[in-house]
Amino acid sequence: KQEVTQIPAALSVPEGENLVLNCSFTDSAIYNLQWFRQDPGKGLTSLLLIQSSQREQTSGRLNASLDKSSGRSTLYIAASQPGDSATYLCACRGGGSNYKLTFGKGTLLTVNP
Amino acid sequence: SAVISQKPSRDICQRGTSLTIQCQVDSQVTMMFWYRQQPGQSLTLIATANQGSEATYESGFVIDKFPISRPNLTFSTLTVSNMSPEDSSIYLCSVEVVSNQPQHFGDGTRLSIL
Repeated sequence: KQEVTQIPAALSVPEGENLVLNCSFTDSAIYNLQWFRQDPGKGLTSLLLIQSSQREQTSGRLNASLDKSSGRSTLYIAASQPGDSATYLCACRGGGSNYKLTFGKGTLLTVNP
Repeated sequence: SAVISQKPSRDICQRGTSLTIQCQVDSQVTMMFWYRQQPGQSLTLIATANQGSEATYESGFVIDKFPISRPNLTFSTLTVSNMSPEDSSIYLCSVEVVSNQPQHFGDGTRLSIL
């Protein structure tokens, strides 16, 4: 059974700081890994998807890496802004016909002006 | 990409009643899913909604408690039956438009049971 852990549970940083959010998973047989953002009272917004064959993906100030062998992914946010404040979730998709996403509990990020 | 509309956005219900949540997508999609997010917990998949056939439920979830309909490729409903305070959660619909591409989520239904 896949288990996903996110560390830290909460993070508070000053504006402009670069930061890293961590995600670990127990079963390396994943199809892909997705990072989401969840704002209060809202659903999930997809940020980045990394295929199992890829090492990293970039979108603007965001960079996500994947190391399947060690069961780890990181989300790097450069030059953080108050608008980045949200809960960040990572999720692993099972292999083959298993479409299930297994989520971590998330990291609550607060960027202070 | 896909635009997902979920209704209602929130509700407060009495113990023992049932509530049906609707999920409408602006394009035809193959895969539709229902998730639950309990307070302080991660999202958990309830079931995969299959068009034209019975939903596929995850361990711990049963059809009698969470009946699901999927009459076509753009619409699904989830009913939370015989509700108790433990059912107070956010319920989210998601879709996968293209295989192995990002799943897209609705804004969720925030459900409180008194």
